Amino acid sequence: QSVLTQPPSVSGTPGQTVTISCTGNSSNIGPDYGVHWYLHLPETAPKLLIYVNTNRPSGVPDRFSGSKSGTSASLTITGLQADDEGRYYCQSYDDTLSAWVFGGGTLLTVL
Amino acid sequence: EVLLVQSGAEVKKPGESLTISCKGSRYSFTTYWIDWVRQTPGQGLEWMGRIDPLDSYTNYSPSFRGHVTLSVDKSVTTAYLQWRSLKASDTAIYYCARRLGSGSSQYSDSWGQGTPVTVSS
Repeated sequence: QSVLTQPPSVSGTPGQTVTISCTGNSSNIGPDYGVHWYLHLPETAPKLLIYVNTNRPSGVPDRFSGSKSGTSASLTITGLQADDEGRYYCQSYDDTLSAWVFGGGTLLTVL
Repeated sequence: EVLLVQSGAEVKKPGESLTISCKGSRYSFTTYWIDWVRQTPGQGLEWMGRIDPLDSYTNYSPSFRGHVTLSVDKSVTTAYLQWRSLKASDTAIYYCARRLGSGSSQYSDSWGQGTPVTVSS
């Protein structure tokens, strides 16, 4: 079981806005550790979407945005598109484990 | 564009040893740490550990420490993930990734294509 908790699945229709949450605690997200988000499609390498809470790498559309508050973080996708489907993971550092950790992943389905 | 090219799929028996590789190019290989990440259907992505290509300093996740070994060969800009004795539960896809950032806000910006490993008798 992951120390970062994500909903197993979310869904939306094209054009809608969806938000994926990532809940941690005082050992990981809480102590001001950065939260990062990745998209993983089957049989492809994970892709970095958001780094250090709110930053987008070059080439990632501004439809993707990240936020962090306290011991939780969120990824918001606006103007949902069919090719946004995939599994999204959050990542941060955990003091207790002395390790970088991923959330369990959230499967996004575009209806 | 940063390239990380991993070795091909492997099929092994329990108890056998295995080393898979990750060759970095188009960037300064010794400047950035390399992460290894496991993907299993039931567990999603799991961070296994990281290695500094400059001096081979390593950190391992508690879940993997003692079961795998990370190493690098700077002369060929390649990182390695090694098992001495595979288990069926090691069946997974393994990714290498380049690490950016500083302090505790580090992240992986470029990833290898993944190496599928199947361990079965």
